[in-house]
Amino acid sequence: QSALTQPASVPGSAGQSISISCTGTTSDVGGYSLVSWYQQHPGTAPKLMIYEDNKRPSGVSHRFSASKSGNTASLTISGLQADDEADYFCCSYAGSDTWVFGGGTKVTV
Amino acid sequence: QVQLQESGPGLVKPSETLSLTCTVSGDSMQNYYWFWIRKSPGKGLEWIGTILDSGRTKFNPSLKSRVSMSIDTSKNHYSLKLRSVTAADTAIYYCARDQGAGNLELDYWGQGALVTVSS
Repeated sequence: QSALTQPASVPGSAGQSISISCTGTTSDVGGYSLVSWYQQHPGTAPKLMIYEDNKRPSGVSHRFSASKSGNTASLTISGLQADDEADYFCCSYAGSDTWVFGGGTKVTV
Repeated sequence: QVQLQESGPGLVKPSETLSLTCTVSGDSMQNYYWFWIRKSPGKGLEWIGTILDSGRTKFNPSLKSRVSMSIDTSKNHYSLKLRSVTAADTAIYYCARDQGAGNLELDYWGQGALVTVSS
């Protein structure tokens, strides 16, 4: 079970759109519609942003969206705001009641 | 309002056992999956293990030989034990609730407990 691959950092500017990739295998990302995304500001607990590949929990801004193609999932943040500066983690079900996280991506605005 | 709170020693000696408890308030523990996740310095999140209200457990294969978990739904808490710790186990340990029955819809998290492994 290997960690999902994410870019270490993605820079952006206010108002811009950025995307974060999360690459796995057919045994995790590509095998199930169970990728979730979490936002974590320094010193705080992670916050659920996306679940089941592309579903947004109530209360999460519509500026956050997600998609998946093959073994790569992506989180897109549109209209980038200062408060979006945080670490973002993807996670996927990996079969046999196991789960795997990505290494995390630092978004700077 | 659902709240989760980790508790336990913040310092553990090498080769000893790390023990943490997650106390849940604001809701029953029934019909949810309960997770332990950690974040090591400079690294990403790592899934440690999951326990259901029935007591059924699943563990990260890389930690399976050293991990155990238990749950007491009547007292609204669940626990983690990690044996034979080393410096590599130094991390912030989070407990979290999965409201999606295994689809990793972790809607509530504890604030995290920093555990340092050092003599």
